[in-house]
Amino acid sequence: QKEVEQNSGPLSVPEGAIASLNCTYSDRGSQSFFWYRQYSGKSPELIMFIYSNGDKEDGRFTAQLNKASQYVSLLIRDSQPSDSATYLCAVNDGGFKTIFGAGTRLFVKA
Amino acid sequence: SAVISQKPSRDICQRGTSLTIQCQVDSQVTMMFWYRQQPGQSLTLIATANQGSEATYESGFVIDKFPISRPNLTFSTLTVSNMSPEDSSIYLCSVVTGSQPQHFGDGTRLSIL
Repeated sequence: QKEVEQNSGPLSVPEGAIASLNCTYSDRGSQSFFWYRQYSGKSPELIMFIYSNGDKEDGRFTAQLNKASQYVSLLIRDSQPSDSATYLCAVNDGGFKTIFGAGTRLFVKA
Repeated sequence: SAVISQKPSRDICQRGTSLTIQCQVDSQVTMMFWYRQQPGQSLTLIATANQGSEATYESGFVIDKFPISRPNLTFSTLTVSNMSPEDSSIYLCSVVTGSQPQHFGDGTRLSIL
């Protein structure tokens, strides 16, 4: 069974620090990788996607992909209290379906 | 990305009744999915809504309990039938357009008394 594993947290970082969120996946054939942010009581919102090995930066967010290690990470620089949310790692199954991890709860302390 | 409207946004229902949730997209999409998210849990895929044919259900979900329709490329419904308190959850519609990532509607928060 294809799986996506995340540490459930909570991960607590001080305001202004770098938050590092990690994810591993089981299907070596996966090609597309996503990070969603979900605020309490809200639906998931796509914040980053990455298809190639290496880093992809968008503002304060950097997604990192290492297909050899089957590892995806999300770095949030200059963390703000408004970044406090659950972050879901997701991996495409090679077709149209997406497999979601259980999510990591992030708390940014002011 | 497509604008997804999901109705109702929330409801409180009596056990044994059924509720139909609607998902309307402002443009044609390739795929439509229905998820459930129980309190404190991650997303569980219920089924893929197929246009003009029966939905494809994931293990543990059956058509009698969660009938799904998708009459065209922009609209789908999910019915939660014969509800029990265990069905209290958030139900989410999501869509895929071409090779774009999946996007979610705002969800329906359902409580069963």
